[in-house]
Amino acid sequence: GNSVTQMEGPVTLSEEAFLTINCTYTATGYPSLFWYVQYPGEGLQLLLKATKADDKGSNKGFEATYRKETTSFHLEKGSVQVSDSAVYFCALSLRGGSNYKLTFGKGTLLTVNP
Amino acid sequence: DTGVSQNPRHKITKRGQNVTFRCDPISEHNRLYWYRQTLGQGPEFLTYFQNEAQLEKSRLLSDRFSAERPKGSFSTLEIQRTEQGDSAMYLCASSLIQGAAPDTQYFGPGTRLTVL
Repeated sequence: GNSVTQMEGPVTLSEEAFLTINCTYTATGYPSLFWYVQYPGEGLQLLLKATKADDKGSNKGFEATYRKETTSFHLEKGSVQVSDSAVYFCALSLRGGSNYKLTFGKGTLLTVNP
Repeated sequence: DTGVSQNPRHKITKRGQNVTFRCDPISEHNRLYWYRQTLGQGPEFLTYFQNEAQLEKSRLLSDRFSAERPKGSFSTLEIQRTEQGDSAMYLCASSLIQGAAPDTQYFGPGTRLTVL
């Protein structure tokens, strides 16, 4: 089946530090890959996506590159801010399938201290 | 575009009671998904609709759960005879199957259910 594995949290960083959250996946077909962010008390917001190998998704200073050879989609940001504190979810959906349902990782809690 | 809305935001109920949640998707979105998120876990797929047709149900959706989307717009999720294990955040998402990004889903704020 399909699955997503994220690095265990929580991750605690100081403001302006470099962020990496690892994500690897297994899929029965050719997936699209996503990062969603969940701020306290809110629903999930799409942060970025990539739909084919070597594509880079980017948004709000965050980046992730679709690596088919390592089945990975690691999230990075060069300089985090306190406002980036949230839970980050890596997810996939199969392209070419008809349902596009998302399979999520367990999430990684990021706390950024001033 | 007001986004996906869900009501109520919070629901506390006693074991054995029935509860119903509502989701209003982004207008003109023809796909609607329900997910369940328990504490410390990622969301898990429950079911989805295209227009008014329910096209897939997860094995997580026991026979105490029923979902409808009668006119292809809003959807309801009902849980009968609630159990403590039903306590979770129930998330709704919508998408437009036609166009450039059929795989992109937009989520509502969720309904948090607590079963006492």
